[in-house]
Amino acid sequence: ILNVEQSPQSLHVQEGDSTNFTCSFPSSNFYALHWYRWETAKSPEALFVMTLNGDEKKKGRISATLNTKEGYSYLYIKGSQPEDSATYLCALSNSGNTPLVFGKGTRLSVIA
Amino acid sequence: NAGVTQTPKFQVLKTGQSMTLQCAQDMNHEYMSWYRQDPGMGLRLIHYSVGAGITDQGEVPNGYNVSRSTTEDFPLRLLSAAPSQTSVYFCASSYTGQPSSGNTIYFGEGSWLTVV
Repeated sequence: ILNVEQSPQSLHVQEGDSTNFTCSFPSSNFYALHWYRWETAKSPEALFVMTLNGDEKKKGRISATLNTKEGYSYLYIKGSQPEDSATYLCALSNSGNTPLVFGKGTRLSVIA
Repeated sequence: NAGVTQTPKFQVLKTGQSMTLQCAQDMNHEYMSWYRQDPGMGLRLIHYSVGAGITDQGEVPNGYNVSRSTTEDFPLRLLSAAPSQTSVYFCASSYTGQPSSGNTIYFGEGSWLTVV
């Protein structure tokens, strides 16, 4: 079973601050990495799917980078807003025939 | 747009009872799966299906049964509920094959299950 580590486990930031958190994974046999945003009492929503080393994706104030050689992905949020408060999940697959394995998530709280 | 629909949203069971969590999707997705979410844990895969008539075990399959008789439906059965099965359950689907091919997963809204 793949080991997908996310850090930090939780994070509190002030409104307007920029922040980032990490997803680490075994660099061998990488296939695809997904980021999801999960608000309490709602279903997780896909943010990005990344497959190539050096990939950078952006959606509004949120962006992500991928380094498959060293086994990590960063998620950045620029100018955090209270509505960004959620758990951010990273998920990984090491082949085209295996299901995604999720990390435990980073819980972000943005304080107004 | 219905997307992925799970029922019931909340359920309390007594130990030893059986029940079925229903999941339906209207997006003609081939891939469907069930996850459970527990405090301090990530989403853990219970069972998955890559198409009608095909199911396979995930990371934590014990105590659960699934079937996939149609593309749209993927019910999860608890055979004899135990307190360890108290959890939040999510059904998910994606367009084709394994979601790792690049297709994103669409999740249902979750089912909160308590076994007493």
